[in-house]
Amino acid sequence: QMQLVQSGPEVKKPGTSVKVSCKASGFTFTSSAMQWVRQARGQRLEWIGWIVVGSGNTNYAQKFQERVTITRDMSTSTAYMELSSLRSEDTAVYYCAAGSTWSGVWGQGTMVTVSS
Amino acid sequence: DIQMTQSPSSLSASVGDRVTITCRASQGISNSLAWYQQKPGKAPKLLLYAASRLESGVPSRFSGSGSGTDYTLTISSLQPEDFATYYCQQYYSTLWTFGQGTKVEIK
Repeated sequence: QMQLVQSGPEVKKPGTSVKVSCKASGFTFTSSAMQWVRQARGQRLEWIGWIVVGSGNTNYAQKFQERVTITRDMSTSTAYMELSSLRSEDTAVYYCAAGSTWSGVWGQGTMVTVSS
Repeated sequence: DIQMTQSPSSLSASVGDRVTITCRASQGISNSLAWYQQKPGKAPKLLLYAASRLESGVPSRFSGSGSGTDYTLTISSLQPEDFATYYCQQYYSTLWTFGQGTKVEIK
């Protein structure tokens, strides 16, 4: 079945970077698009950006434009989201999701905690 | 960016009740709308897409309607497993945006 498995929880200090992975299986990764969404505790879902896997083209929310990089490794069917210059407000659960419009396939989420 | 506004932010209802949640976009989105259900500690689950198309495996008590800027999610007869938070999401723009969520609680 279609599945996305994300990397484990991270604890980071302010000013550092985090890189979250998302491994796909059960569908054709190279024909897909991968979205990244985050959710702080008690808050709404917030879109970060996406990558068209085949071309590598990316698009980011303006809020994250300067700090985020989304990449993919087609040889391992894995997408990555790296967020730099972390601050406490970046503490959230980060999700990957497959699809360019809606998504029925989501990863389990990765908790990223930013704390000094 | 297209802004999505849901109402209400929360509601209390009983098992068997009919529940309606609305989502308004800041501009027309041509039915490019999905609805998700999220339970605590879990990833969102897709319920409907294209405003009214039911995702495979989703019970038929869930339905969606709307056009232009205004959309609704209806649960015809609320079941115990439906107590959760619901989000709308537009994909008219390649930059996704979500509503703020509607928490459905037990009365």
